[in-house]
Amino acid sequence: SYDLTQPPSVSVSPGQTATITCSGDDLGDKYASWYQQKPGQSPVLVIYKDTMRPSGIPERFSASNSGNTASLTISGTQAMDEADYYCQAWDGSTVVFGGGTKVTVL
Amino acid sequence: QVQLQESGPGLVKPSQTLSLTCTVSGGSISSAGYYWSWIRQPAGKGLEWIGRINTSGSSNYNPSLKSRVTISVAASKNQFSLKVTSVTAADTAVYYCAREGERRDGYNRYYYYMDVWGKGTTVTFSS
Repeated sequence: SYDLTQPPSVSVSPGQTATITCSGDDLGDKYASWYQQKPGQSPVLVIYKDTMRPSGIPERFSASNSGNTASLTISGTQAMDEADYYCQAWDGSTVVFGGGTKVTVL
Repeated sequence: QVQLQESGPGLVKPSQTLSLTCTVSGGSISSAGYYWSWIRQPAGKGLEWIGRINTSGSSNYNPSLKSRVTISVAASKNQFSLKVTSVTAADTAVYYCAREGERRDGYNRYYYYMDVWGKGTTVTFSS
């Protein structure tokens, strides 16, 4: 089975940049999506097709995908960005989610 | 604006079949270019994809659940459903339904994204 690996947690100071990684074999050959989930809420799509932001998602969210690693970057992190973030990819036959990364804004 | 709403019993007993329905409003489940997916999340844990279906009859399942899971669609009711047989405590989770877009890039490579999610419904195992 295909696995996506994320760090369990990332801490960032307000106004600074947070980077969340997602690793998988040849992930750069697949398209990655990212979801934000706040406590008690449903996930929200923040990035699709590696780098695309859905309408309504702030420009401070950006992403890249190359080699074995996809990355989500939050620039100028705000307190409202504190949440769990999940990467996701299609491996050809199944949808795979990463284990999730808790972003804490200190 | 498309909205999704999960419904079904919140309590299931061992060896029973869990049945959930997702009702689509604000749009047609038969719209081209979409799969309709189920995802679950045990308390305090990450997202687990269960499976998906489109109205053309194409479906995919998580291999770890495939033997116990059936996803079906009722286009006339604008609904799709999930059945999980032989439930155990490990099936206790919040269950989400989601709309999953399917698109192709300029190289004919598919990409997918879940852009609309339901609020989720909690299913608890009761002995």
